[in-house]
Amino acid sequence: DAGITQSPRHKVTETGTPVTLRCHQTENHRYMYWYRQDPGHGLRLIHYSYGVKDTDKGEVSDGYSVSRSKTEDFLLTLESATSSQTSVYFCAISEVGILEATRPNTEAFFGQGTRLTVV
Amino acid sequence: AQKITQTQPGMFVQEKEAVTLDCTYDTSDQSYGLFWYKQPSSGEMIFLIYQGSYDEQNATEGRYSLNFQKARKSANLVISASQLGDSAMYFCAMREGRGYGGSQGNLIFGKGTKLSVKP
Repeated sequence: DAGITQSPRHKVTETGTPVTLRCHQTENHRYMYWYRQDPGHGLRLIHYSYGVKDTDKGEVSDGYSVSRSKTEDFLLTLESATSSQTSVYFCAISEVGILEATRPNTEAFFGQGTRLTVV
Repeated sequence: AQKITQTQPGMFVQEKEAVTLDCTYDTSDQSYGLFWYKQPSSGEMIFLIYQGSYDEQNATEGRYSLNFQKARKSANLVISASQLGDSAMYFCAMREGRGYGGSQGNLIFGKGTKLSVKP
């Protein structure tokens, strides 16, 4: 199994409070992703990183920020949590490099997920 | 525009029979990769199979095969000899190959198909 750890695994927080989720990898993979999973929506990309301090927005980035100061850690921050951000959050990593979308063994490996409830 | 479409929210199949889960995609790139993931009720995301856009043969992994029809932009997952343990959500995903740096690494998911295997 790929070494990906998400913390915390479960969290309940109040509306308006800041929340930070952590993703830690031991695979030295270049790409790291944050997704949220909601019924009827599948997995939607929030932000991703393609290197230390290199990040880009995904489909549903509003209300979220990320940071990657080390290869192994990718942090997702909800600046002021809202009830609409209640979801299951997944971190993923992949090794894919430039122009290597068609190279085998570039699948993303996922963490166990974090269930976040905003009340 | 939605890039990955899974038109079957739910599917039923009899144990030991084969089942096809549909996936169509939209891209203007020539280089891309297609993936299928399984998510059992326990929540983890499990990589099943990969197909590169330049691969001439359909990918196979054990009981899983990917029916890749490039001109139709479809990448259907075929599960042969279904087992009770195949009951899960199945997600189709795509990674595009254009550009350099961050945009090349974006991994996009469909909304998923829930497969139920009946004994």
